[in-house]
Amino acid sequence: DADVTQTPRNRITKTGKRIMLECSQTKGHDRMYWYRQDPGLGLQLIYYSFDVKDINKGEISDGYSVSRQAQAKFSLSLESAIPNQTALYFCATSASNTGELFFGEGSRLTVL
Amino acid sequence: KNQVEQSPQSLIILEGKNCTLQCNYTVSPFSNLRWYKQDTGRGPVSLTIMTFSENTKSNGRYTATLDADTKQSSLHITASQLSDSASYICVVSARGNTDKLIFGTGTRLQVFP
Repeated sequence: DADVTQTPRNRITKTGKRIMLECSQTKGHDRMYWYRQDPGLGLQLIYYSFDVKDINKGEISDGYSVSRQAQAKFSLSLESAIPNQTALYFCATSASNTGELFFGEGSRLTVL
Repeated sequence: KNQVEQSPQSLIILEGKNCTLQCNYTVSPFSNLRWYKQDTGRGPVSLTIMTFSENTKSNGRYTATLDADTKQSSLHITASQLSDSASYICVVSARGNTDKLIFGTGTRLQVFP
């Protein structure tokens, strides 16, 4: 089983719909992250969390929200999806500030 | 502005050949530099992490170098295999209260038999 699991892996939705992407991890890491990957661009940080009570905005948080339900679970929500949120989304975890990032397999979201 | 630039954008080589991917950065203050391998449709996987004091680090057939003075890094792949076909992403960490990761756009490597 994967250490970092994302669901769903693929989702097609319509403009204005609410979407939730879920991430769970079995690595026991405190730090969890959500990234977005677009063709021709580097990964961009949306939100990150260093523990259950800690939520921080990343570079591109507008239009997104997150919830850290438990140490092992970190979900990303799009309250009202728009087409330019079509992208590949990655959840990641790390054990420390300078430590290795462990990524999930990605969630491909298409907003029509 | 903190930036990470990778070259070439794409590369095609024959199986068994060696290749070198380049990464130039303008990130300050520097914390560490990482190389990741991303297979198509998969999440990135870490290959190496180097700090300021390290100028080379190997992981099997992958060898990364770092020149902190010129702010350049390279990833050398020896005796390439078909499974090396992937995107290789250079990531530089900027030191701060919370280190910030700046991702390059990657080099797409294709290895043909």
